[in-house]
Amino acid sequence: DGGITQSPKYLFRKEGQNVTLSCEQNLNHDAMYWYRQDPGQGLRLIYYSQIVNDFQKGDIAEGYSVSREKKESFPLTVTSAQKNPTAFYLCASSIRHETNEKLFFGSGTQLSVL
Amino acid sequence: AQSVAQPEDQVNVAEGNPLTVKCTYSVSGNPYLFWYVQYPNRGLQFLLKYITGDNLVKGSYGFEAEFNKSQTSFHLKKPSALVSDSALYFCAVRAPRNDYKLSFGAGTTVTVRA
Repeated sequence: DGGITQSPKYLFRKEGQNVTLSCEQNLNHDAMYWYRQDPGQGLRLIYYSQIVNDFQKGDIAEGYSVSREKKESFPLTVTSAQKNPTAFYLCASSIRHETNEKLFFGSGTQLSVL
Repeated sequence: AQSVAQPEDQVNVAEGNPLTVKCTYSVSGNPYLFWYVQYPNRGLQFLLKYITGDNLVKGSYGFEAEFNKSQTSFHLKKPSALVSDSALYFCAVRAPRNDYKLSFGAGTTVTVRA
């Protein structure tokens, strides 16, 4: 089945620790996105990538980093500089960024601070 | 800057009754509008979109939405709600020539009681 796989489903971070969230897609989509979901705030864009080896900051990129070494993969690292990391993180993809095609979402990763 | 408002945090309806979820937007130029649904602990699923043309758009699971340019609204509707429609609904807007980024509303929780 084609789709987006996020892992792990639940992740716990200790203070001062960097953690990496995995996102893999087999839809052959060029564009990939990371969103953060907080209750009552909707989804906020962290980073997006239009093609391999290219990515741009979204609205709330501080404290996060990404890479796009392969078309299928777009991992998100939550660094120790992100002081309020507890949230539900959603990865998404679309055929191309510069279109109005729908986004396909993964099932999300819930990150909590110990 | 583009933005979306979902004025109701929660909507409660009885099964079989009509369901309406409200959305208003603010954007420069012609908007591209979307509705997504999120079931508990899952990613978002695309419901429908308005790009151009007929103001009434039909989507998945019997949902439809009406674009009203004068009221800058894009309300989601379903003539007869089901218990399985209980979920979190997000409206989103994209402005042309704004890096094609989607802006999401805060979401509306729909509860359909049997």
